[in-house]
Amino acid sequence: DQQVKQNSPSLSVQEGRISILNCDYTNSMFDYFLWYKKYPAEGPTFLISISSIKDKNEDGRFTVFLNKSAKHLSLHIVPSQPGDSAVYFCAASARDSGTYKYIFGTGTRLKVLA
Amino acid sequence: DAGITQSPRHKVTETGTPVTLRCHQTENHRYMYWYRQDPGHGLRLIHYSYGVKDTDKGEVSDGYSVSRSKTEDFLLTLESATSSQTSVYFCAISFRLNTEAFFGQGTRLTVV
Repeated sequence: DQQVKQNSPSLSVQEGRISILNCDYTNSMFDYFLWYKKYPAEGPTFLISISSIKDKNEDGRFTVFLNKSAKHLSLHIVPSQPGDSAVYFCAASARDSGTYKYIFGTGTRLKVLA
Repeated sequence: DAGITQSPRHKVTETGTPVTLRCHQTENHRYMYWYRQDPGHGLRLIHYSYGVKDTDKGEVSDGYSVSRSKTEDFLLTLESATSSQTSVYFCAISFRLNTEAFFGQGTRLTVV
């Protein structure tokens, strides 16, 4: 049972335009959400995060929005650049019996066209 | 970059043999994780650790065991490798609750 879902396997965007990547989750215990970027043959690198007490977090060209009632988060990249082409994973974190763990989605491959 | 080293980086092994992957960190982080990445499945949690000798199962733990005898080392063992365990394995570490996790470079394992 997939607790974190990224329903779009791929997305293509023109350079300079906005990229919007979406993520849905089912577990209401999740209280911290993250986005990672992954290039081929490298480990995922942290991009931006948001706590469940907020509905928006911004870092330069990257903004994450959280809609708790819809159990939905999105990552906006403005303006998109060719170097943003990568696989993007969303992840959610929840405390579970005194410990905690990160659950990842299946990823969205973003291609920014020059 | 966070000090995480995975070894080996690449390995080919035969079905039925035991395999151990090592994750070593120099950050003194409490939490350590093993994930596998497969096409169409993203990153799936195998096992994780919340302290020395404290480990728990993740989403896909069958066929895997882990050990953490020191803060800096987290070992993943495939007791009897199968072709379905061909994958890229990532180790991750995190410092405390509600912070980001940092990933290693990955180990590509092929079981033939």
